[in-house]
Amino acid sequence: DAGVIQSPRHEVTEMGQEVTLRCKPISGHDYLFWYRQTMMRGLELLIYFNNNVPIDDSGMPEDRFSAKMPNASFSTLKIQPSEPRDSAVYFCASNLRSRQAFFGQGTRLTVV
Amino acid sequence: AQSVAQPEDQVNVAEGNPLTVKCTYSVSGNPYLFWYVQYPNRGLQFLLKYITGDNLVKGSYGFEAEFNKSQTSFHLKKPSALVSDSALYFCAVRDEGNTGKLIFGQGTTLQVKP
Repeated sequence: DAGVIQSPRHEVTEMGQEVTLRCKPISGHDYLFWYRQTMMRGLELLIYFNNNVPIDDSGMPEDRFSAKMPNASFSTLKIQPSEPRDSAVYFCASNLRSRQAFFGQGTRLTVV
Repeated sequence: AQSVAQPEDQVNVAEGNPLTVKCTYSVSGNPYLFWYVQYPNRGLQFLLKYITGDNLVKGSYGFEAEFNKSQTSFHLKKPSALVSDSALYFCAVRDEGNTGKLIFGQGTTLQVKP
């Protein structure tokens, strides 16, 4: 398996624009997680899904953030409108039941 | 509430010396503990985990961790550090709901000098 695949690897956008981050989990995994990493706040869990259903979105910072998982092999994290303080590295991770999570390479988002 | 603490922001060690990266945890039930490593511009990579059994857990790249229930600690160790071990290390505990959700510490930067 190729592991968790995220795209794009890097994204630079202007403030106010919509940004969509994509994730393909490992085939067969039933949990998917979105994390954000910044120097100031470290690694934060934004939202996670179980069998494509959002379970806990309490980490989503604002209504500008939304996430979907239309099927078992694809998830998106959308920011609309984006702001400079959203600049961070966004990671997607997946795991099977309660086993260890596997992380993607991350998307480095810069909002100017 | 569950939590993980990594008391050191950075650990410096000379190549060839033993290394320890500290982690303490707080859980109400049995702890499921993990160590991950992050190299620059990369995602987190799983190193090892403790679920049950032997208190000394062996993982990837020669790392091991010692689970100590009385001290609520799960320190990461390696007998002989390599320069290539320099990275950011995260300790994590699994959420009590057994969902796979991980609660991470703030991370410790390990710097191994030649």
